[in-house]
Amino acid sequence: DIQMTQSPSSLSASVGDRVTITCRASQDISTYLNWYQQKPGKAPKVLIHSASNLQSGVPSRFSGSGSGTDFTLTISSLQPEDFATYSCQQSYSVPRTFGPGTKVDIK
Amino acid sequence: QLQLQESGAGLVRPSQTLSLTCAVSGGSIDGGGYSWSWIRQSPERGLEWIGYVYPSGNTFYNPSLKSRVTISIDMSKNQFSLNLTSVTAADTAVYYCVRDDMNGLMHWFDPWGQGVLVTVSS
Repeated sequence: DIQMTQSPSSLSASVGDRVTITCRASQDISTYLNWYQQKPGKAPKVLIHSASNLQSGVPSRFSGSGSGTDFTLTISSLQPEDFATYSCQQSYSVPRTFGPGTKVDIK
Repeated sequence: QLQLQESGAGLVRPSQTLSLTCAVSGGSIDGGGYSWSWIRQSPERGLEWIGYVYPSGNTFYNPSLKSRVTISIDMSKNQFSLNLTSVTAADTAVYYCVRDDMNGLMHWFDPWGQGVLVTVSS
């Protein structure tokens, strides 16, 4: 199985801050990497698919980059509704695997 | 707009079988060549992909659960189902049904059902 790690595990930030979350795969997964946002009590929602493709309806302040083993999710200007947990997921092979998540909370 | 809704028992006794169904509305489960997955989430294990089924009936399961899992599809009812046998407390989780969306070889999970909490306890 491909192992996914994320850093940091949590962070505190203020509205308007630029936030960067990193995801690393245990082997080369090209750009088969997706990012999800999850709020308490809700199902995850896809933000970015295929490493850098913004899902329809997702604000442009979200962006993704990377290929191979190292990937980044960036929120250019954090908004109040962005406080949530963010997880990466690889679709390079089965079983599909997720990172442990990064919780973004209010400073 | 495609919507998924899980249903099933919220409390299962240890050693029994967990059974859930996902009703798909707003589109055909047989349209587009998509696969349909079950994913679970617990504080201990995070998000864990259980397996998927295609409209053809072909399945693939997570090796960690393969001996206990069956995912099936019923196109006449536009739904798919999960059975997990011999459950223990470690199977307590929120269970989600999802569509495996795709563009060529790229796949991602969208949309998701709202999730159903299943507790394994005597």
